[in-house]
Amino acid sequence: GENVEQHPSTLSVQEGDSAVIKCTYSDSASNYFPWYKQELGKRPQLIIDIRSNVGEKKDQRIAVTLNKTAKHFSLHITETQPEDSAVYFCAATPGTYKYIFGTGTRLKVLA
Amino acid sequence: GAVVSQHPSWVICKSGTSVKIECRSLDFQATTMFWYRQFPKQSLMLMATSNEGSKATYEQGVEKDKFLINHASLTLSTLTVTSAHPEDSSFYICSAMGSGGRAYEQYFGPGTRLTVT
Repeated sequence: GENVEQHPSTLSVQEGDSAVIKCTYSDSASNYFPWYKQELGKRPQLIIDIRSNVGEKKDQRIAVTLNKTAKHFSLHITETQPEDSAVYFCAATPGTYKYIFGTGTRLKVLA
Repeated sequence: GAVVSQHPSWVICKSGTSVKIECRSLDFQATTMFWYRQFPKQSLMLMATSNEGSKATYEQGVEKDKFLINHASLTLSTLTVTSAHPEDSSFYICSAMGSGGRAYEQYFGPGTRLTVT
């Protein structure tokens, strides 16, 4: 069935370092891959997304890469700051509009 | 733009009663809305897809008679938890999907924390 694996489940980095979160999806029909940031008790916020016709997308300190052949995509955060601390979720869209979310990564940026 | 509201933000109810949660897209029309459930420190689990003017599509394992969804207009979808029990206590989040150039993008409401005593 449809499945999205996300790793790592927790990640601690020193302020200023980079953070990388990886996701693998199972349905090759997926063509849209958003990343969400969720702070405790708040709504998920879209931070970046990528469509299947693009291999990489960047927005300031955040970038996403997509490897369709391997069916995996990654979130890269450079020059991390304490306010980047949150839970990050990836998602895939298996040929329909619904999202299948990854299990989440709890990122802690240590000052 | 793309603001989604949800009401109430939290609710406490007694076991056996019903609770209605509203999800509204404030500045755009949403033909499709989604309802998720999130347990502490876990991911978002899709419960159902709500389409304006038609019956909701429920995910496997979600009881449609317990979680009633109505999408009466392009800006409003409601989730009613009927005969709530303590195991229904959770964080419920809705989202609304954009259209046109924003197709596929989902915008989330702030969530409703339900506690059943």
